[in-house]
Amino acid sequence: AQTVTQSQPEMSVQEAETVTLSCTYDTSESNYYLFWYKQPPSRQMILVIRQEAYKQQNATENRFSVNFQKAAKSFSLKISDSQLGDTAMYFCALRGFGNEKLTFGTGTRLTIIP
Amino acid sequence: GAVVSQHPSRVICKSGTSVKIECRSLDFQATTMFWYRQFPKQSLMLMATSNEGSKATYEQGVEKDKFLINHASLTLSTLTVTSAHPEDSSFYICSASLFAGQGKDYGYTFGSGTRLTVV
Repeated sequence: AQTVTQSQPEMSVQEAETVTLSCTYDTSESNYYLFWYKQPPSRQMILVIRQEAYKQQNATENRFSVNFQKAAKSFSLKISDSQLGDTAMYFCALRGFGNEKLTFGTGTRLTIIP
Repeated sequence: GAVVSQHPSRVICKSGTSVKIECRSLDFQATTMFWYRQFPKQSLMLMATSNEGSKATYEQGVEKDKFLINHASLTLSTLTVTSAHPEDSSFYICSASLFAGQGKDYGYTFGSGTRLTVV
């Protein structure tokens, strides 16, 4: 069974600051994919960033980067130069290599303060 | 590209009636579709996985007879909430798996969701 844990239910940060969202996971598979999804007030799920477990290099997408620690089963998301539009619910998710199902964490509600 | 159109976005129905939610893949073929339920301020809970041309696979605890899923074509999957009751009120989201097969990229695209209110 796969599990994803997000231990920060809510966070807030001043605009332009950097914030890190935590995520830990558990899986018995040696190869898998990790995702961060954003769900703004519109409730549309938006992919923020994706990491393949077999790649050692941390994924980056503009202001978003991850710190992937495979041995520790940790996958944190760093948002740099935070913007008001980053206010949303953020979900960490895991998918096994041979299984299309996504397992979601409980989410972190992030508020960017002007 | 890879857009899933979900309708309706909002629906209010009377208790005891049935409601159908549609998800259409607009520019790709959705072999696999996932249906989620999301309660306010909570995460997405997978209800079932549907594959084109075969019966849906339901997660444990999900009533198959209440939540009917049909995936008759590669571009359309539907969720019908039968004999709806107020406790079925929720936000329902569909998601399509974009790629399949070993060694290929894995991604998903999500519908915009349906807010169901049963009165």
